[in-house]
Amino acid sequence: GAGVSQSPSNKVTEKGKDVELRCDPISGHTALYWYRQSLGQGLEFLIYFQGNSAPDKSGLPSDRFSAERTGGSVSTLTIQRTQQEDSAVYLCASSLVVWGKEGNQPQHFGDGTRLSIL
Amino acid sequence: LAKTTQPISMDSYEGQEVNITCSHNNIATNDYITWYQQFPSQGPRFIIQGYKTKVTNEVASLFIPADRKSSTLSLPRVSLSDTAVYYCLVGIRDDKIIFGKGTRLHILP
Repeated sequence: GAGVSQSPSNKVTEKGKDVELRCDPISGHTALYWYRQSLGQGLEFLIYFQGNSAPDKSGLPSDRFSAERTGGSVSTLTIQRTQQEDSAVYLCASSLVVWGKEGNQPQHFGDGTRLSIL
Repeated sequence: LAKTTQPISMDSYEGQEVNITCSHNNIATNDYITWYQQFPSQGPRFIIQGYKTKVTNEVASLFIPADRKSSTLSLPRVSLSDTAVYYCLVGIRDDKIIFGKGTRLHILP
């Protein structure tokens, strides 16, 4: 079956522009996660959704970042007025639920969107 | 937060067994321990998950002692293609998920 799909795979934009990153989770997965990974670094958690609801948005780096999910499926991560420090790979993952009877559920990741801010 | 500590890097040779240990002293009662593998330019890939004792699948084994404050990922007979970064993940705290810095495993011929 299809895995997690992210688009675009690469995005180059000028400082100050807005960008929108898209994530299509695995069909039937109600939980969706966004992470950021800078070159050679670990994963920085940004936000997760259970259904369309994000319990906590405080992981988003600044108020220029926003995320939404509608219809319990596709999610978009929007970065307004991009800065050079926003350059990174943005990873999306999904799981059946966030927390099941076997605890935290394994996440299935896409290959990310590589964002470069000039 | 469920903080984890792993070695930054490890080297091994093809055909050897590799063990990577992760410390998670503040693991909660209902936390499961999950390991992921990440190759360059790819997202992490789920390897194995466990709660206690030992779990084995077709690619790895996971050993968890009784106090659950650490876990060891065991890769049998590694090959060059096992060169990757390995992350352990424990639970969710305050609606946040903390991946550690991972262990960069380098397999030598």
